[in-house]
Formats: sequence, C-alpha cells, structure tokens
Amino acid sequence: QVQLVQSGAEVKKPGASVKVSCKASGYTFTSYDINWVRQATGQGLEWMGWMNPNSGNTGYAQKFQGRVTMTRNTSTGTAYMELSSLRSEDTAIYYCARLRKEVREVIIIQKFYSFYMDVWGKGTTVTVSS
Amino acid sequence: QSVLTQPPSVSAAPGQKVTISCSGSSSNIGNNYVSWYQHLPGSAPKLLIYDNNKRPSGIPARFSGSKSGTSATLGITGLQTGDEADYYCGTWDSSLSAWVFGGGTKLTVL
Repeated sequence: QVQLVQSGAEVKKPGASVKVSCKASGYTFTSYDINWVRQATGQGLEWMGWMNPNSGNTGYAQKFQGRVTMTRNTSTGTAYMELSSLRSEDTAIYYCARLRKEVREVIIIQKFYSFYMDVWGKGTTVTVSS
Repeated sequence: QSVLTQPPSVSAAPGQKVTISCSGSSSNIGNNYVSWYQHLPGSAPKLLIYDNNKRPSGIPARFSGSKSGTSATLGITGLQTGDEADYYCGTWDSSLSAWVFGGGTKLTVL
C-alpha cells in the first residue's frame, strides 16, 4: 500500500540542525511532490515547503527561507527535510505528505491545477531544548 | 495569523449536523481548489475532501464540501464521537506561491 514512513523522534539543542527522513513506498517516488508540514504544540498546521523528487526542485515558505533544505535520494525513494539554527519555537511534529497535482481545466494555453495532500507520514517529533 | 480563516471551535450533539467555514481571498480559495483534512491527536492528518467537494475512496458520504467565491464549507452529518478532531482547510495561494492552511477548527461532539 502507499505509505510514507518517517524517521524517529529527535532531541536537539538550540542552534543545532535536524534532518528528518520520509521513505516512500507503494508508488513511484519521482511521480509526486513531497511537502513538509509541521505542527507546534497547541498550534495549527504550518506548511514549510515542497520538493519535486524527479528534478530536485524546491519551494520554501518565506518563514523558513535560509533555514530549511529539502533533498531526496531517488535510489532509496527517500525525501529529507533539514532545518538549521534550531530554536525552542521549532519544537513540533514534522509531517511529510505526498502532493497530488492534477490538471482540471485548460483554457486556451493556460492550465488550472488541483493540489491536495493525499498521503501523510505519521510525523516526527523534534524537541529543541537546552 | 492564518491566511485562511476558520472558526476556532464548533460543537454539536451526536447524530446532528455541523458546518465549518473557511474564508480566504481571490488569490487562494477564489481561484484554486480547496481540500479539507481531519487531524486526530497523535495521528497523521487525513484527507477528507479535495477539489472543493470530492471525497477520496473510503471517506463516508457524511462528509461533504462546497465552495462559493472566496469561501469554502465542510459539512458533517450524523455526527459520531469519533469525529471529534481538528479540521483544516487548505489550498494553494497564487500570490504567495505557497500552500496555506486555515487555523483549524476543533470539533466537539457533545
């Protein structure tokens, strides 16, 4: 079955970096973008960015620009999210999710897409504490 | 402060119906498809609705979605205690070139 399996919990000190992995199975890894979403305690879902496993292209939320790096290993079907210069506010559960991107309408030459996240990993808890 | 606005909480009795609103703008909901996610504590978020009103395989017909202009609505009928969760709307924002979520709505089934 289609699934995303994430790495285990991490405890880091302020200023350190953390790298979370997300291993895909049950589908062709390079066919769908992987998004990263986090949830801090008591907060809502927060989108961090996307990565295209085929090209390696990425797009990051402005809030995380310069601190986040999303990469992949196509031979193992694994996506990675590395967050640097950690601070206590980065304590959260980090999720990877498969993004579906499908053409819904074509008007002249412009395509209109539907985007949605259909498969999610179970989450990786990252705790930042001195 | 989220780009998409949801009520912080809603509640209703078992068997009743509830709706959750999601308000945005022309750069997000107004020109893009909306999806909805159910998030139970300790679990991964789950896709409930995509393309404004479509249900993935396995999602009961008790869950429905609609969109009008720059607002979207999730409806849940025949409420069950197992529906208690946080619900999030989400869509692409063309101006921000970013995915945006609503702030989330906590559903309590009294």
